[in-house]
Amino acid sequence: QKEVEQNSGPLSVPEGAIASLNCTYSDRGSQSFFWYRQYSGKSPELIMFIYSNGDKEDGRFTAQLNKASQYVSLLIRDSQPSDSATYLCAVIDRGSTLGRLYFGRGTQLTVWP
Amino acid sequence: DTEVTQTPKHLVMGMTNKKSLKCEQHMGHRAMYWYKQKAKKPPELMFVYSYEKLSINESVPSRFSPECPNSSLLNLHLHALQPEDSALYLCASSREISSYNEQFFGPGTRLTVL
Repeated sequence: QKEVEQNSGPLSVPEGAIASLNCTYSDRGSQSFFWYRQYSGKSPELIMFIYSNGDKEDGRFTAQLNKASQYVSLLIRDSQPSDSATYLCAVIDRGSTLGRLYFGRGTQLTVWP
Repeated sequence: DTEVTQTPKHLVMGMTNKKSLKCEQHMGHRAMYWYKQKAKKPPELMFVYSYEKLSINESVPSRFSPECPNSSLLNLHLHALQPEDSALYLCASSREISSYNEQFFGPGTRLTVL
């Protein structure tokens, strides 16, 4: 069973701050990494994916991947109250023939005005 | 069109009922998935279809029966469910099954079993 661990949270930051969400995974064979945002009562929405070591930026979001440390993070700059949600980290194995996503338990983020 | 749609949004059923959940995508994706999500837990994979063939069943009880009539549609037939089956049922799709294809989720069906 693949393990994906996230900060237990909840994480609370003021509006305008940087929110940092962390995720570690147990299997060095993991190849692809995804961050989903899920508002209460809604479905998960894909916000970032990363396959290569380093940083990937998209607007206010930056994903960082360090395969040697088996660590992936999501930074949200200029956090807004609308960013308040649960953030799910998910990984897929290298060469997966099943497309199986392994999810962490999620980190609840609250951005207060 | 980059959406996955699901119907109905909400479903309440008794333990003796038979009902179906429907999922549709028009992105040309050839992999489709059913997930179940309980409150404050991550989604749990139930079934995976690739090119309209069932490629994985995660030991799901037979009271859940998936069907993929064509590459755009995915159904989940429900029969003799238990109250503990109450959950959010999510459909997802991806271009293909691979490590590099993102999965996109539909809005889900909130199921309550009485």
